[in-house]
Amino acid sequence: DTEVTQTPKHLVMGMTNKKSLKCEQHMGHRAMYWYKQKAKKPPELMFVYSYEKLSINESVPSRFSPECPNSSLLNLHLHALQPEDSALYLCASSQHTGGVRQPQHFGDGTRLSIL
Amino acid sequence: AQKVTQAQTEISVVEKEDVTLDCVYETRDTTYYLFWYKQPPSGELVFLIRRNSFDEQNEISGRYSWNFQKSTSSFNFTITASQVVDSAVYFCALRVGRGSTLGRLYFGRGTQLTVWP
Repeated sequence: DTEVTQTPKHLVMGMTNKKSLKCEQHMGHRAMYWYKQKAKKPPELMFVYSYEKLSINESVPSRFSPECPNSSLLNLHLHALQPEDSALYLCASSQHTGGVRQPQHFGDGTRLSIL
Repeated sequence: AQKVTQAQTEISVVEKEDVTLDCVYETRDTTYYLFWYKQPPSGELVFLIRRNSFDEQNEISGRYSWNFQKSTSSFNFTITASQVVDSAVYFCALRVGRGSTLGRLYFGRGTQLTVWP
């Protein structure tokens, strides 16, 4: 079983809906990440949080809004998404961003479909 | 700039065959780590192994082995006696530890491995 838990597993939403993706880890990690993965492609980094502060935003459109309420939780708020935003959204965590040797541990992802 | 190349897009083998997945990386940093991840159809990326730039000792873990060669900037992964459960996409990734690249994993495009019974 993965130690990074993502909910929901699947999400279908219209372009005018507002929804949120949730990610939780209890490994004491202080770095958390959001990735977007299209079919047959590698994951693409979206956001990095380090000690609950946003440290990297890869020029992601504002219709994606991340939030890190505490060290264990990471949310991704979605609003007015486009069909091309349909993808697998992966959450990951690591001990902290500065440790090059630390692997990132990934969740199962949320499969998002925009109608 | 960092770059990871996995030239093999898809590999198909029959169960019990050995298979090697290739990974070539580019970086100017002297300190870096290399990782292999497995992504089964369920979607989760499973961490398999890491190697740092100062450790060229190769490793065997059960049916898995890794060959890291700095001279050729390669970090190849071999599965011995493959099984159907090994079917997945395998990603090689690079991480360096300076400045604005902190926290980033640079992924190769992945190799889809299919093991037929």
